[in-house]
Amino acid sequence: RKEVEQDPGPFNVPEGATVAFNCTYSNSASQSFFWYRQDCRKEPKLLMSVYSSGNEDGRFTAQLNRASQYISLLIRDSKLSDSATYLCVGDTIHTTGTASKLTFGTGTRLQVTL
Amino acid sequence: DAGVTQSPTHLIKTRGQQVTLRCSPKSGHDTVSWYQQALGQGPQFIFQYYEEEERQRGNFPDRFSGHQFPNYSSELNVNALLLGDSALYLCASSYGTGGISNYGYTFGSGTRLTVV
Repeated sequence: RKEVEQDPGPFNVPEGATVAFNCTYSNSASQSFFWYRQDCRKEPKLLMSVYSSGNEDGRFTAQLNRASQYISLLIRDSKLSDSATYLCVGDTIHTTGTASKLTFGTGTRLQVTL
Repeated sequence: DAGVTQSPTHLIKTRGQQVTLRCSPKSGHDTVSWYQQALGQGPQFIFQYYEEEERQRGNFPDRFSGHQFPNYSSELNVNALLLGDSALYLCASSYGTGGISNYGYTFGSGTRLTVV
C-alpha cells in the first residue's frame, strides 16, 4: 500500500464548479501535510499547508483529519488556470531527528473547461 | 534572489552509462533533497544531504549516489543506467533539517533524463 494515496482522476469540471480532492495516508509518523500544484512538465509548487483546524486561502480550502488519516482540498469557483495536477504530500521527520522527507501521492489531475 | 538551479535541463543517455546531475540550492538554504518523478507518478524521495552527509535515503539502489559540497551545492550520480531510470529528477533545497517547516522547500525545475 502506498504511503499517500489519491484518486488519479482526471477530474473534468466546467469553469465555476466546485471540486473536491481527497487523500489518505498510512504513515502516522508524518507530521505535516501539504497540497502542491504541478503544471505539465514543470516542478511542483507549494499550494498550501493543511491543518487539523482547516486552512483557507481564497478559493482553496484544505482540511486534515488525523484520526481518519484523511486530507482534503476544496476548490471553489474553478478557473481555467486551475487546470493542473494536485499532489497530496506528507512531511516525515526521520527517527534520528536530523533528516526529513516529503512523501508525495500520485497526484490528481484537474482539467477545467469552458 | 536566485531559486534552485539544476543542470542540465535535458539529457539523453544509453543503457549502462553513468550520469551526473547538478543542483545549486536557493540562497540561504543548506539542505538538498533529490526526488525522482516517473511519468504519471508523484516524486519519489531518493536522499537528503545536510552538512555534506547523506542524512536519509529512500528506497533506491546503490547505483544512486550523491554528494554535497561545502557551498551546499549537490550532485546526483546514477551508474549503470537502466531504461527505468528515465524520469524527471528534482532537487529541493531547504534551510536546516529534522523538522524544519516545509515553507523552506524550494524545488528546481528538474533534469529530464531519458535512457535509450
